[in-house]
Amino acid sequence: IAGITQAPTSQILAAGRRMTLRCTQDMRHNAMYWYRQDLGLGLRLIHYSNTAGTTGKGEVPDGYSVSRANTDDFPLTLASAVPSQTSVYFCASSADEGGNEQFFGPGTRLTVL
Amino acid sequence: GQNIDQPTEMTATEGAIVQINCTYQTSGFNGLFWYQQHAGEAPTFLSYNVLDGLEEKGRFSSFLSRSKGYSYLLLKELQMKDSASYLCAVLDSNYQLIWGAGTKLIIKP
Repeated sequence: IAGITQAPTSQILAAGRRMTLRCTQDMRHNAMYWYRQDLGLGLRLIHYSNTAGTTGKGEVPDGYSVSRANTDDFPLTLASAVPSQTSVYFCASSADEGGNEQFFGPGTRLTVL
Repeated sequence: GQNIDQPTEMTATEGAIVQINCTYQTSGFNGLFWYQQHAGEAPTFLSYNVLDGLEEKGRFSSFLSRSKGYSYLLLKELQMKDSASYLCAVLDSNYQLIWGAGTKLIIKP
């Protein structure tokens, strides 16, 4: 693994189904983030984690949950997907929550029908 | 509320210079970032400004004026590969990044 990876690359999901998007980084970064990106809008923060064992809510957390059991992994779960959750999801990490650049994974394109 | 404004789209000619502006109103300020995002790809870091002034990095420069809530990204000697979206983001008082919607830059030969 080099940097930050996400899986799956893309997914089509029926409404009401549960889905977990995976994110793994090998840079030993403390902070990790989940964003969604929709056409015409800026990246919007869903949830974040400043260090393993802690998580926090971002701008648009409803319908999503996260966990941070260790430094490397930060999965995002949609408990019951709805069409408005159709989006491109990016996971990112940074050395800490301060003024350090964020490194982004390649993204997951999710379509909820 | 928090707000980041940047033009939706700009067009420039290969070899020329283009300036992409960003104005912001945020709760606190801990720095401003510029990222580049090619279509279908992830954003990649370009620059970080926390003090007023100009930061130069090769063909790219970024300027910040905290008193005016204003930044710009200057791209010189434009190349076709510079066709991308350019994202402005401000680190607020909670150390969360607030993102603009991005400026799509189209380079014409």
